[in-house]
Amino acid sequence: DTGVSQDPRHKITKRGQNVTFRCDPISEHNRLYWYRQTLGQGPEFLTYFQNEAQLEKSRLLSDRFSAERPKGSFSTLEIQRTEQGDSAMYLCASSFQKRETQYFGPGTRLLVL
Amino acid sequence: GQQVMQIPQYQHVQEGEDFTTYCNSSTTLSNIQWYKQRPGGHPVFLIQLVKSGEVKKQKRLTFQFGEAKKNSSLHITATQTTDVGTYFCAGPPESNYQLIWGAGTKLIIKP
Repeated sequence: DTGVSQDPRHKITKRGQNVTFRCDPISEHNRLYWYRQTLGQGPEFLTYFQNEAQLEKSRLLSDRFSAERPKGSFSTLEIQRTEQGDSAMYLCASSFQKRETQYFGPGTRLLVL
Repeated sequence: GQQVMQIPQYQHVQEGEDFTTYCNSSTTLSNIQWYKQRPGGHPVFLIQLVKSGEVKKQKRLTFQFGEAKKNSSLHITATQTTDVGTYFCAGPPESNYQLIWGAGTKLIIKP
């Protein structure tokens, strides 16, 4: 399967713990996006990479969230000191060109207890 | 800020009836993309429209992009149970690349 993959698919953690998610984009795609989605809502943009450069972060993104894409391939999203409000589906998407179609991974569903 | 409004939030139809969802952007979009998300799944790309007034068809699905490139619609003829899911529109404003998403329209087939 050459689509976007995410790991883990599910994560349950206690409030205050740190969690890290991984995304492997489609190999020829140089753009990678992180979104958060809660029930009944559309995806909410978190951050975006072009190759290894993080070009934009949502103003809504807490400083507890950090993302990296060190070699311009896979990316990680870390949430420090998780809160119950962080419970959501975290989606990764990749695309080849600016403004082009984004291909989504299956998501990581986070539950913070 | 820039927004994409999508209506209705839910639509209940009998199998075989038609379904339509509408998107309206507060700003001109460089293109409009439509995605479908099945329950428990992730958004899956359906189609992209780029030109003003463009209409595209995929079997029973018809997509339109408004003349002003600020609104769009998706129409499904004779719905089937496989059409169940939430349909999202999304588009990048001409001023930047980031996709702005509608909140989605959930298609529910009445038993």
